[in-house]
Amino acid sequence: KNQVEQSPQSLIILEGKNCTLQCNYTVSPFSNLRWYKQDTGRGPVSLTIMTFSENTKSNGRYTATLDADTKQSSLHITASQLSDSASYICVVSGQAGTALIFGKGTTLSVSS
Amino acid sequence: GAVVSQHPSWVICKSGTSVKIECRSLDFQATTMFWYRQFPKQSLMLMATSNEGSKATYEQGVEKDKFLINHASLTLSTLTVTSAHPEDSSFYICSGAGILGTDTQYFGPGTRLTVL
Repeated sequence: KNQVEQSPQSLIILEGKNCTLQCNYTVSPFSNLRWYKQDTGRGPVSLTIMTFSENTKSNGRYTATLDADTKQSSLHITASQLSDSASYICVVSGQAGTALIFGKGTTLSVSS
Repeated sequence: GAVVSQHPSWVICKSGTSVKIECRSLDFQATTMFWYRQFPKQSLMLMATSNEGSKATYEQGVEKDKFLINHASLTLSTLTVTSAHPEDSSFYICSGAGILGTDTQYFGPGTRLTVL
């Protein structure tokens, strides 16, 4: 069964600290993996996208990694800011034309 | 980047009434639009997929007669929740996909529906 599991479910960190969010998937065949940021009451916004051959992708303070062999991805946030408080969702795309598979997300709270 | 808007952003209605939610792609042609529902602390759940000019394809367990979807143009799709009940209260999010394919979806800001 195609699944996307994220951990931790929630995380609280102090402003300025770094953190890493995890995503494991069992989707096969695999096309690409995206990380989205979803602010409360808003739609998801794409942070990064990686295909099978890509190991890392950065977007400002966000760096995503992908290990297609172990089917694991991580999202590293550097020097966190209060505005980073949101839900981070890992989304995997499988065979062309099939539905995206969403993880349940990690809720990040950054406190001052 | 591609922008998708939704209207209204929130709506409160009485049980038994119908509510229409609009989804517009503002700067690209969305040949395919998707409607999702999201309950608190849950991930997005795909409700239906619609291609412009065609009938929507509904996911298993989603009542097509209750959630009417119209995708009349390449920039507009509507979701009508008919005879809404409190259990329909949720966050509804649409997304649009264009020439880059259906796995490149641009999400709208969502509509919060509360049925009293």
